[in-house]
Amino acid sequence: KAGVTQTPRYLIKTRGQQVTLSCSPISGHRSVSWYQQTPGQGLQFLFEYFSETQRNKGNFPGRFSGRQFSNSRSEMNVSTLELGDSALYLCASSSTGGLNEKLFFGSGTQLSVL
Amino acid sequence: QQQVKQSPQSLIVQKGGIPIINCAYENTAFDYFPWYQQFPGKGPALLIAIRPDVSEKKEGRFTISFNKSAKQFSLHIMDSQPGDSATYFCAASGTGNQFYFGTGTSLTVIP
Repeated sequence: KAGVTQTPRYLIKTRGQQVTLSCSPISGHRSVSWYQQTPGQGLQFLFEYFSETQRNKGNFPGRFSGRQFSNSRSEMNVSTLELGDSALYLCASSSTGGLNEKLFFGSGTQLSVL
Repeated sequence: QQQVKQSPQSLIVQKGGIPIINCAYENTAFDYFPWYQQFPGKGPALLIAIRPDVSEKKEGRFTISFNKSAKQFSLHIMDSQPGDSATYFCAASGTGNQFYFGTGTSLTVIP
């Protein structure tokens, strides 16, 4: 079974631009979560989608948005990029997104904002 | 505000040693405490997890100790090996599927 796939692997953008990251969950998984990983901060929860609906949202500004498609694939968008948005963005999938369910992470998209 | 506090930030041990990583939390609504292991260039992978109704859980060389009254939990790695060199994250969750992660511990096991 293929794991969680994130594309692209690396991205370089400049301040003010916008970016879209993609995540394909494990086949059959319907819950997709996004996390931002930065040195010293660990992983910070962005949002979670289940059956095309956002169920949970972390404490990030509205510049960060996402969506989920009917095939459970998800995209994350960051508009008006700031230098502080440079980070590794991780996507995680789980079967039903039920309480305390195991998360399967992708290898992430490394975003650099210049 | 960091909901889960993790220490130390980095750890170096000799092969065969027992590194210990500690985490503390404040939110008593948390009821699931997993540990994740992350190698360079990879996403985190679940290592072991515990619920607050038990004080200890072992899986192979990895042990979680849990102290509910102190709101602390720790990861012990028995007979550590160079292949255990990685970054370790503790996490906690309560209602919903939102996880709060610690800041990570970079472990180096010297041969």
